[in-house]
Amino acid sequence: GAVVSQHPSWVICKSGTSVKIECRSLDFQATTMFWYRQFPKQSLMLMATSNEGSKATYEQGVEKDKFLINHASLTLSTLTVTSAHPEDSSFYICSAYVGGGPADTQYFGPGTRLTVL
Amino acid sequence: AQTVTQSQPEMSVQEAETVTLSCTYDTSESNYYLFWYKQPPSRQMILVIRQEAYKQQNATENRFSVNFQKAAKSFSLKISDSQLGDTAMYFCAFMKGYGGSQGNLIFGKGTKLSVKP
Repeated sequence: GAVVSQHPSWVICKSGTSVKIECRSLDFQATTMFWYRQFPKQSLMLMATSNEGSKATYEQGVEKDKFLINHASLTLSTLTVTSAHPEDSSFYICSAYVGGGPADTQYFGPGTRLTVL
Repeated sequence: AQTVTQSQPEMSVQEAETVTLSCTYDTSESNYYLFWYKQPPSRQMILVIRQEAYKQQNATENRFSVNFQKAAKSFSLKISDSQLGDTAMYFCAFMKGYGGSQGNLIFGKGTKLSVKP
C-alpha cells in the first residue's frame, strides 16, 4: 500500500520549452502533496505544498510563475516547469501526505530527472 | 522553528555488523513524529521507520530500530545485521503532529552509509 507514482522518470528538453511532471497516489487519497527539488549529494528542498482544489503554497525563493502546480484531485498533482533553462536541471520528487493519527506520513514518488539543454 | 541535525555525513560498516546513525532535533512542540527515510542509489525515498513522540516505546522494523530520547531530543537509527542493500543515504526527518503543519517534513542533511562486503 501507499504507492506514489511519478511520470516521467526522466526528461530532456530544450531551453525555453515547458515540461509537465505528474504525481499520482495509486492506492490512497492524499490530503496534501508536496514537491521537492534535490541537488546532487544534498537533502531535499521543499518547493511547494499543494492541496486539492486550492492554490499551492510556495516556499520562499521559489518562483510560482516558473513552477506551476495544479492539484486536480486527491490522487493527482502536476508540476509544470515553464520556459525551462539549464539551471532548472535537477531531480524533482513529489510526495503524498496521508494525514490523521497513526497514518501521518509522507510517501514519496520515485523522482523525475530533468535535464534542460 | 524546528531543526534536524545529522552530524555524520558519511559512515561505513562491514556486512553483518551493526551501525548506528545519529540524529538530533530541536522543537518546542509536544506533539510530533520522527522518521528515518532511506534513499538508495535509485533515489527513491523509502520510509524506514516512524516514531510518535508520545510513545515511550522505541519503534522497530525488523533489523531497524530507533533509540528515541525525548528529553535529549535525540533519535538514532540502529541497523543490525547490515546488508549490502542497506547502502544508501539516510535522512532523519521531523513532522509536527496532525493539524499542526499539514504534514510538512523537516529533513536533516543526511548520512551516507556504505555497507562493505
